[in-house]
Amino acid sequence: KAGVTQTPRYLIKTRGQQVTLSCSPISGHRSVSWYQQTPGQGLQFLFEYFSETQRNKGNFPGRFSGRQFSNSRSEMNVSTLELGDSALYLCASSFAGTANYNEQFFGPGTRLTVL
Amino acid sequence: SQQGEEDPQALSIQEGENATMNCSYKTSINNLQWYRQNSGRGLVHLILIRSNEREKHSGRLRVTLDTSKKSSSLLITASRAADTASYFCATDKGAQKLVFGQGTRLTINP
Repeated sequence: KAGVTQTPRYLIKTRGQQVTLSCSPISGHRSVSWYQQTPGQGLQFLFEYFSETQRNKGNFPGRFSGRQFSNSRSEMNVSTLELGDSALYLCASSFAGTANYNEQFFGPGTRLTVL
Repeated sequence: SQQGEEDPQALSIQEGENATMNCSYKTSINNLQWYRQNSGRGLVHLILIRSNEREKHSGRLRVTLDTSKKSSSLLITASRAADTASYFCATDKGAQKLVFGQGTRLTINP
């Protein structure tokens, strides 16, 4: 099976712009979660989507949003970019047939730099 | 916010030695997992231990979990240069939301 793929791998934006990141989960996986990794805050949970619905949400401002499509692919969007949004954004997929935890498989990440 | 703290923050050992990393967390959990990350790349899942388990092995990895102390340890035996990476523990309460520790940066010297 192909692993989790994320596009693009690298992205440079300027303050005030918006950005959309894409994640394709492992085939058959219905849950997609997003995480932000920064040197200061470490790895933090953004949100999780399951069957096109946001099921869990982390403590991030409304500028961070996401969605999931019927094929389980997910996108996350960050509007009005700030310098502090520079981070590695990681996507993870799992089968998650129930709300109980299933092992999450991570993609390679998208490195976002905000200038 | 970070659920866990890992100790030490950095560890440097010689190839062939054993490496032990510790993780503490604050609230009750369903599962605890360990991940490896090479140079700011994606996370690789190493092992998952459930809250009702005390020890688990996978190849050269041994994980223990003490829920009374809210702590876990990861032991890597017979370390290799390829084990050089950052190691993170992550906990969950049964949902698809992982809470990560700050990580231990492990360096294996040849």
